[in-house]
Amino acid sequence: EDQVTQSPEALRLQEGESSSLNCSYTVSGLRGLFWYRQDPGKGPEFLFTLYSAGEEKEKERLKATLTKKESFLHITAPKPEDSATYLCAGHTQGGSEKLVFGKGTKLTVNP
Amino acid sequence: SAVISQKPSRDICQRGTSLTIQCQVDSQVTMMFWYRQQPGQSLTLIATANQGSEATYESGFVIDKFPISRPNLTFSTLTVSNMSPEDSSIYLCSALPAGGGAEQYFGPGTRLTVT
Repeated sequence: EDQVTQSPEALRLQEGESSSLNCSYTVSGLRGLFWYRQDPGKGPEFLFTLYSAGEEKEKERLKATLTKKESFLHITAPKPEDSATYLCAGHTQGGSEKLVFGKGTKLTVNP
Repeated sequence: SAVISQKPSRDICQRGTSLTIQCQVDSQVTMMFWYRQQPGQSLTLIATANQGSEATYESGFVIDKFPISRPNLTFSTLTVSNMSPEDSSIYLCSALPAGGGAEQYFGPGTRLTVT
């Protein structure tokens, strides 16, 4: 069964304190690994897509990386506005466009 | 990308009634989807809304409970039928824009409370 697991469930950082979020996946024939940001009361906002092991993508203070079994979202020198829930999703094979989501990591950055 | 709106943004409904949620996309998209997000749980795909034909439902979701329409390329509705408190959740619409990318874009969600 396709599964995506994120850790930790919640993370509190001080402003400027860098860290990483983990997303491990068992998705048959992974076609892509997605990262989203979700603010309270809003829908997920697309951040990155990673397609192959070794690939990296960056956006401001965020960098996403992918291995054959997991993905990391590195946050460098975070600011309070980076506080949100970060969701990881695997895109499965088989002709459908199904995304399998993890439960997310709730990040809080304190000033 | 695509900008997606949903109506209503939230509602409180009595058990046994039905609610229809609307999803409008600002541009033509190839595929539209409906998800459910329950507290503390991951987003779960309910179904893929197919234009001009019956929706494709995921395991555990049935058409009688969650009828879906997609009359054109930019609009879809999800009805939650014969509601019970267990249906209290956030319902999200997403779309896959034309152009070859695989990233889905999401609406703001509809927060449903069933009393």
